[in-house]
Amino acid sequence: NAGVTQTPKFRVLKTGQSMTLLCAQDMNHEYMYWYRQDPGMGLRLIHYSVGEGTTAKGEVPDGYNVSRLKKQNFLLGLESAAPSQTSVYFCASSYSGRAQVIPDTQYFGPGTRLTVL
Amino acid sequence: GQNIDQPTEMTATEGAIVQINCTYQTSGFNGLFWYQQHAGEAPTFLSYNVLDGLEEKGRFSSFLSRSKGYSYLPLKELQMKDSASYLCAALDSNYQLIWGAGTKLIIKP
Repeated sequence: NAGVTQTPKFRVLKTGQSMTLLCAQDMNHEYMYWYRQDPGMGLRLIHYSVGEGTTAKGEVPDGYNVSRLKKQNFLLGLESAAPSQTSVYFCASSYSGRAQVIPDTQYFGPGTRLTVL
Repeated sequence: GQNIDQPTEMTATEGAIVQINCTYQTSGFNGLFWYQQHAGEAPTFLSYNVLDGLEEKGRFSSFLSRSKGYSYLPLKELQMKDSASYLCAALDSNYQLIWGAGTKLIIKP
């Protein structure tokens, strides 16, 4: 049981290049999330998904696209990278955002450290 | 707007007690989470409150006052491994987590 995994762990891009970050979870969770974390700021939600084939925008979606073709995978794409997208990207998953008694805990992947030059 | 406030950094001595505070303003409220994040690692869940009072959970209890929009994380018998950032996050009416910037706890021997 690997939990939530992310690939790659590190990446350096030049401005204008594109890339895809892959998140995979083996806990059969319905909900998946992409966050970015910058120094001095809280985690900011980029996009999220409440199930296979569905995605929704979070707080900071501009410049990113996502896809959830399979329940266990959630992909984050940068079509034309900009230096402002230099950050640490975390993927997370949970059973549901609206559990009956206790909202389900989000489990995080190890993160991808992205630098855009 | 929605906002979470917590101190940026705190310093404490090994073996001591420290209390990390968090105040929140959200549109609706469905509970408050505390996560721990060691440097260079992912956040991990510590505690959750939705009702007023103290939620006891071993070394990582947490207190909530809904009327004051306030929570705190009391850490007892501090160990060097407790050096980390502690993230407060409130669940709003849409069940979206609103995150604080985190409190970096530095523990000195």
